[in-house]
Amino acid sequence: DAGVTQSPTHLIKTRGQQVTLRCSPKSGHDTVSWYQQALGQGPQFIFQYYEEEERQRGNFPDRFSGHQFPNYSSELNVNALLLGDSALYLCASSLYTGPTYGYTFGSGTRLTVV
Amino acid sequence: AQSVTQLDSQVPVFEEAPVELRCNYSSSVSVYLFWYVQYPNQGLQLLLKYLSGSTLVKGINGFEAEFNKSQTSFHLRKPSVHISDTAEYFCAVSESQGAQKLVFGQGTRLTINP
Repeated sequence: DAGVTQSPTHLIKTRGQQVTLRCSPKSGHDTVSWYQQALGQGPQFIFQYYEEEERQRGNFPDRFSGHQFPNYSSELNVNALLLGDSALYLCASSLYTGPTYGYTFGSGTRLTVV
Repeated sequence: AQSVTQLDSQVPVFEEAPVELRCNYSSSVSVYLFWYVQYPNQGLQLLLKYLSGSTLVKGINGFEAEFNKSQTSFHLRKPSVHISDTAEYFCAVSESQGAQKLVFGQGTRLTINP
């Protein structure tokens, strides 16, 4: 049973560019959340998608946007990249009804902005 | 809003010694509590979670944690560590309603010395 799959694993972008990260949730999960983990820090919540709608959002600017597809997969888009956007981006899937079975994390996408 | 404080940024211990990683949380509502482990260049793996019931929670790899509501703590323990336990450990909290976002602590780097 596949867990959470994220692509790409690594990415290098230039300041001002746009980037799209992708996530396929664990089989049976219907909710996808995105987290940003800066070097040496704990993950910070960006937003959560359920039924193709953004349900919760953390303290991130509008440059960060997302989408969820009917098959529950999700994309994270970041526009006008800044050097400070360099981080590991983690996708987590879960059930909207509650975390009885936990939140399952992918291995992340390492984004470097130069 | 919730917050998590991991009291030690680094914990060095010798192999086969016991270890305790400390976590305190703050919340005005009922919460769920989690411990995750992150190995180098990987995502987060769930060690254990407290949702309700017994305050002593057993997880994978011989880890356990105790929920103490009066002290708002959720410390992680292992009676005898191995070299393979070297990793970053994150304590996290979420509201106990549905698929709420996870709020993480800053992490504790556990280093096992032979």
